[in-house]
Amino acid sequence: EAGVAQSPRYKIIEKRQSVAFWCNPISGHATLYWYQQILGQGPKLLIQFQNNGVVDDSQLPKDRFSAERLKGVDSTLKIQPAKLEDSAVYLCASSSQGGLGETQYFGPGTRLLVL
Amino acid sequence: AQSVSQHNHHVILSEAASLELGCNYSYGGTVNLFWYVQYPGQHLQLLLKYFSGDPLVKGIKGFEAEFIKSKFSFNLRKPSVQWSDTAEYFCAVNAPGGGGNKLTFGTGTQLKVEL
Repeated sequence: EAGVAQSPRYKIIEKRQSVAFWCNPISGHATLYWYQQILGQGPKLLIQFQNNGVVDDSQLPKDRFSAERLKGVDSTLKIQPAKLEDSAVYLCASSSQGGLGETQYFGPGTRLLVL
Repeated sequence: AQSVSQHNHHVILSEAASLELGCNYSYGGTVNLFWYVQYPGQHLQLLLKYFSGDPLVKGIKGFEAEFIKSKFSFNLRKPSVQWSDTAEYFCAVNAPGGGGNKLTFGTGTQLKVEL
């Protein structure tokens, strides 16, 4: 079974530029998550999708971050414009139905460096 | 809002030593608890989880964790560590919040096992 795929693996941009990350979840998984992991911290949930609808985006900085999952499968996360403090690893995860206690399966992450 | 505390940020052990990593959470309702592990160069993967029932949970590679509700704790243990256990370990709590089922992570414990 293929795991969660993410691209690119690494990205270096200058502040005020825009950047986009892509995620393809495990086939058949209805729930998709984007996390931000800053160095020395644990992952923090940015947004959770159930199929193509948003169920939780309470910690997404909506003035600069946006995410979509138009067809309920793959997803993109965009930052525009980027700030220095956005340097982090962006993790995508998926789970079967998003129920309490379900295992979330993580992708390899995209490491972003903002200069 | 739920939170997770991991008391040890860096742990260094010799092979065959016993391991215990502390994890405390704050949430008053029903929770599900997880330990995830990230080996060097690999993505986050599930080590074990507590959903309900027996508070002593056994996971992969000889790891176990005990859920003590009265202490809001879910400590991870292994009687004899191996060099291959060198990794970063994250405790996480899954509870309703923000419209979905949020997975909140601790800051992680970096374990180094020396030969």
